[in-house]
Amino acid sequence: DAGVIQSPRHEVTEMGQEVTLRCKPISGHNSLFWYRQTMMRGLELLIYFNNNVPIDDSGMPEDRFSAKMPNASFSTLKIQPSEPRDSAVYFCASSLVGNEQYFGPGTRLTVT
Amino acid sequence: GENVEQHPSTLSVQEGDSAVIKCTYSDSASNYFPWYKQELGKRPQLIIDIRSNVGEKKDQRIAVTLNKTAKHFSLHITETQPEDSAVYFCAGTDDYKLSFGAGTTVTVRA
Repeated sequence: DAGVIQSPRHEVTEMGQEVTLRCKPISGHNSLFWYRQTMMRGLELLIYFNNNVPIDDSGMPEDRFSAKMPNASFSTLKIQPSEPRDSAVYFCASSLVGNEQYFGPGTRLTVT
Repeated sequence: GENVEQHPSTLSVQEGDSAVIKCTYSDSASNYFPWYKQELGKRPQLIIDIRSNVGEKKDQRIAVTLNKTAKHFSLHITETQPEDSAVYFCAGTDDYKLSFGAGTTVTVRA
């Protein structure tokens, strides 16, 4: 298994631009998580999907952030418009419910 | 919600010595406690986990202990090696939502 796949690995964009991060979970996993990691705030859960349905989006910072999971093998996290304070590493993770979460390699986002 | 506190924030050990990281949790309903290792610029990787029906678990040089009464759990690394240098995160949950500790930066001195 290739593990959780994320793209792009690095993204540099200007303030105000739209950013789309992509994730392919491990085949057979039914739970998908988006995290944000910064030095100041550590690892924060943004949103959790179970069987493609958003269950908990309480961690989504504001309306500029949105996430979708149109099928079991693909999810996106979109930021529109982006701001410098959105600069962080964004991780996608997947799991079978009740079991360990496997993280993807992350997307390092820099908003200038 | 669950609140996990982790100590120390940094730990420097001589190669070959042991390292111990301690975490406390607030929610007595929490029943799953994983530990993740994150090397610089890499993803967090699960290294060991423990469930509330077990008091201790070992995997080669690493072990985790859990004290449900005191609501704390610890990671023990024996015979440390340079490749053990990384940030280690503890976490706890009673369902899907992992609450992570702030992390411990471990440096193994040669």
